[in-house]
Amino acid sequence: GNSVTQMEGPVTLSEEAFLTINCTYTATGYPSLFWYVQYPGEGLQLLLKATKADDKGSNKGFEATYRKETTSFHLEKGSVQVSDSAVYFCALSGSSGTASKLTFGTGTRLQVTL
Amino acid sequence: DTGVSQDPRHKITKRGQNVTFRCDPISEHNRLYWYRQTLGQGPEFLTYFQNEAQLEKSRLLSDRFSAERPKGSFSTLEIQRTEQGDSAMYLCASSFPGDTEAFFGQGTRLTVV
Repeated sequence: GNSVTQMEGPVTLSEEAFLTINCTYTATGYPSLFWYVQYPGEGLQLLLKATKADDKGSNKGFEATYRKETTSFHLEKGSVQVSDSAVYFCALSGSSGTASKLTFGTGTRLQVTL
Repeated sequence: DTGVSQDPRHKITKRGQNVTFRCDPISEHNRLYWYRQTLGQGPEFLTYFQNEAQLEKSRLLSDRFSAERPKGSFSTLEIQRTEQGDSAMYLCASSFPGDTEAFFGQGTRLTVV
């Protein structure tokens, strides 16, 4: 079945540091890939997505590239801010191009300090 | 429209009691999903509806769990004879069919004591 593996947290960075959160997946077919973010006390929000191989999703300075050859979708940001402190979830969809059934990783908590 | 709404936000119940949660999706969305999230884990898919039809159920959804979406708008998730292992955050999400973005509510946190 489908599965997502993300690096364990927590990840603690100083403001303006470079961020990478690793995500690899196992899936049949051609899934879409997502990063969701959960800020304290809030619901899950879609951060970015990519629907086919070599697509790059980007939003709010975050980027991730769909790498089919390495089955990866690593999240990066060049300069993190304190406001980026949250839990980040990598996810894939069961059917290409649809949100139907999402399989999530366990989440990576990011803490950014001044 | 203010997004996906879930009620209640928190529920504490005694073991063996029945509980029911409600989800109001974004009004134009005809797909609705339920997920369960336990502490330190990612959300796990439970079930989804397209309009009033329940199209898929996870093996996680034991016979004590039932979900309905009678008019294709709001949905309810009922847990009968709750157990301590049911303690979790129950998340609802909605989307258009074919859309790659699902919008999540803030969840209902269930504590079974």
